[in-house]
Amino acid sequence: SAVISQKPSRDICQRGTSLTIQCQVDSQVTMMFWYRQQPGQSLTLIATANQGSEATYESGFVIDKFPISRPNLTFSTLTVSNMSPEDSSIYLCSVEDTASGSYEQYFGPGTRLTVT
Amino acid sequence: DAKTTQPTSMDCAEGRAANLPCNHSTISGNEYVYWYRQIHSQGPQYIIHGLKNNETNEMASLIITEDRKSSTLILPHATLRDTAVYYCIVMKTSYDKVIFGPGTSLSVIP
Repeated sequence: SAVISQKPSRDICQRGTSLTIQCQVDSQVTMMFWYRQQPGQSLTLIATANQGSEATYESGFVIDKFPISRPNLTFSTLTVSNMSPEDSSIYLCSVEDTASGSYEQYFGPGTRLTVT
Repeated sequence: DAKTTQPTSMDCAEGRAANLPCNHSTISGNEYVYWYRQIHSQGPQYIIHGLKNNETNEMASLIITEDRKSSTLILPHATLRDTAVYYCIVMKTSYDKVIFGPGTSLSVIP
């Protein structure tokens, strides 16, 4: 199984600013995913991040608002740009376990963002 | 659109079996049924998955109907720590993305 850590675990930010969230995995993985979970809601996929290529964004999410980096096989960042109160959510990264053949996903603990 | 339909919420008495249903009538031949759960304030956790045969692991059992249009996740002896939102997801393996629906909120009652 993969162990995932995220930094920061929580933050309170002012509107108009940007926050970069880091996701670190303890093993090399091909695919990483970024999700958003708004209060009381299910998870919504933001984008898929593969090392060495541009991230693939889901409908309703754009690179200018949520730029993603994937510099190597164990690390990724998600930036929430020009924040507004509507961006207040939990942001989670996940990775897919392809080594075992089950393709289950492991999730980080999440970053709780509050925008004031 | 979500490919699965689940009840919004369920209750289960502690120590009894929790049976969580899921409908996936449009599942295609190469898609698997995965179950995840999310305990409050934590990231989702993988439980089990299957293609067409019933599966069992240390956490749960998965029963898939012969026509594969529905399945049931069984927690054989529910405990208070099993209180969580349970997500039934249909997806291909090999680099497919996980799309979450609203899930079933299971409350285990003492």
